[in-house]
Amino acid sequence: ETGVTQSPTHLIKTRGQQVTLRCSSQSGHNTVSWYQQALGQGPQFIFQYYREEENGRGNFPPRFSGLQFPNYSSELNVNALELDDSALYLCASSLAGRGGDGELFFGEGSRLTVL
Amino acid sequence: QQQVKQSPQSLIVQKGGISIINCAYENTAFDYFPWYQQFPGKGPALLIAIRPDVSEKKEGRFTISFNKSAKQFSLHIMDSQPGDSATYFCAARRGSQGNLIFGKGTKLSVKP
Repeated sequence: ETGVTQSPTHLIKTRGQQVTLRCSSQSGHNTVSWYQQALGQGPQFIFQYYREEENGRGNFPPRFSGLQFPNYSSELNVNALELDDSALYLCASSLAGRGGDGELFFGEGSRLTVL
Repeated sequence: QQQVKQSPQSLIVQKGGISIINCAYENTAFDYFPWYQQFPGKGPALLIAIRPDVSEKKEGRFTISFNKSAKQFSLHIMDSQPGDSATYFCAARRGSQGNLIFGKGTKLSVKP
C-alpha cells in the first residue's frame, strides 16, 4: 500500500459527458502527477501539480484539467469525453524539495469507461 | 517518438530461472531510471531504481544493470517465482520533478 488513494475506482460515462476523478496523496508528499494508462500500454503523463499550480504537462488537450488543494489532494477533470478516453487514470504522489528525491508512488487508479 | 524502448513484450520463465527485461533510452539528460511492477487491476508499484552514476544496483532478488555508454538498462529477477508474474515497466526521468517516460511493458509469466 502506497498511501495514495483514488476515487472512484470504476465509472462508466457516455461520450460528451464530463468526469472528475479524485486523489489523496501520501502523507508528507507535496506533488501530485496524473497518468493515463490505456489497456496494454505504459502510463502516459498528463500533468503534475506542485504548490497548487500546474508544473508540467504532457501531450493532452485542454479538456484535461486539474486542481491541487492546500492539503495536496488533487482532482482530474475531463470534459467532452471521447471513446479514446477510456483508460485507467493513475494518480502518483511524490516529495519535491526538502530532501525528497521525487520517487513516485501510485494509487490503484480509476478505471473510466466511455460508451 | 518513443523515448524508452522496452523488450521483450512478453516473457515466460520457469520457476527458479532468471528473468531479464531490457530497456533502451534516447535522451542523455535522463538521470533516474525506475522499474515498476504492476499486477492486474492494480497501480504500478516501485520495485527498484538506479541513477547513472552506478552500473548496478541490487535489492534482494532484483538487480538493475545500467550501461550509460549504450544508453541501456535492464532488470534481472533471480530465482523467479510464480508470484513474480506481473507486468513490468521501465521508466526514465530528467530531474527530480520531471515526469516519468514509461516503456510499453513486459508481461512476465513464471511457470511452476
